[in-house]
Amino acid sequence: LAKTTQPISMDSYEGQEVNITCSHNNIATNDYITWYQQFPSQGPRFIIQGYKTKVTNEVASLFIPADRKSSTLSLPRVSLSDTAVYYCLVGDRQAGTALIFGKGTTLSVSS
Amino acid sequence: NAGVTQTPKFRVLKTGQSMTLLCAQDMNHEYMYWYRQDPGMGLRLIHYSVGEGTTAKGEVPDGYNVSRLKKQNFLLGLESAAPSQTSVYFCASSYGGRRSYEQYFGPGTRLTVT
Repeated sequence: LAKTTQPISMDSYEGQEVNITCSHNNIATNDYITWYQQFPSQGPRFIIQGYKTKVTNEVASLFIPADRKSSTLSLPRVSLSDTAVYYCLVGDRQAGTALIFGKGTTLSVSS
Repeated sequence: NAGVTQTPKFRVLKTGQSMTLLCAQDMNHEYMYWYRQDPGMGLRLIHYSVGEGTTAKGEVPDGYNVSRLKKQNFLLGLESAAPSQTSVYFCASSYGGRRSYEQYFGPGTRLTVT
């Protein structure tokens, strides 16, 4: 499994765009990039998944450069309720049993 | 849909006691998982199941047993609880194949072993 590296913590203010970058230098050809969000005292929630270029849904955008050695989760106009831990995971999406969560990035949004 | 539910939400055990955690899902998912999360850490996979009647070991299986007698239920058992098993336990489920990384998690069970 490709190892991922992401910042331990980030701070932001309401209304700003937040970009969380994840490095995965050893990503394999079949690997997909998946992001989860976890609020305190809750289970993680799937946010977005992508393979290359750009993926967008109602919650976030995921940008993946051509070499796929990194990816950026973009949260537009964050609010206080976006304060959470964000996990970047990389792996063959047909092997969900190998889902490995690191420590994630703790995003703190203040007013 | 209730999604993924877990019973109980909280539990305190004494060392050596046994208990069973119940996970139920109503999304007709093939795969189910048990994770534990310790303070300040990510989740670690304990056991998982890719279908009714099947189970397999994850990253940290020692001290736990599981059973999947019905597709919608996944049970996690602790036969002789130890303080090192104090943790928050999350159950999750997903479709198989290409959607197995899109897991749906329950609210968690907070277990304390004294």
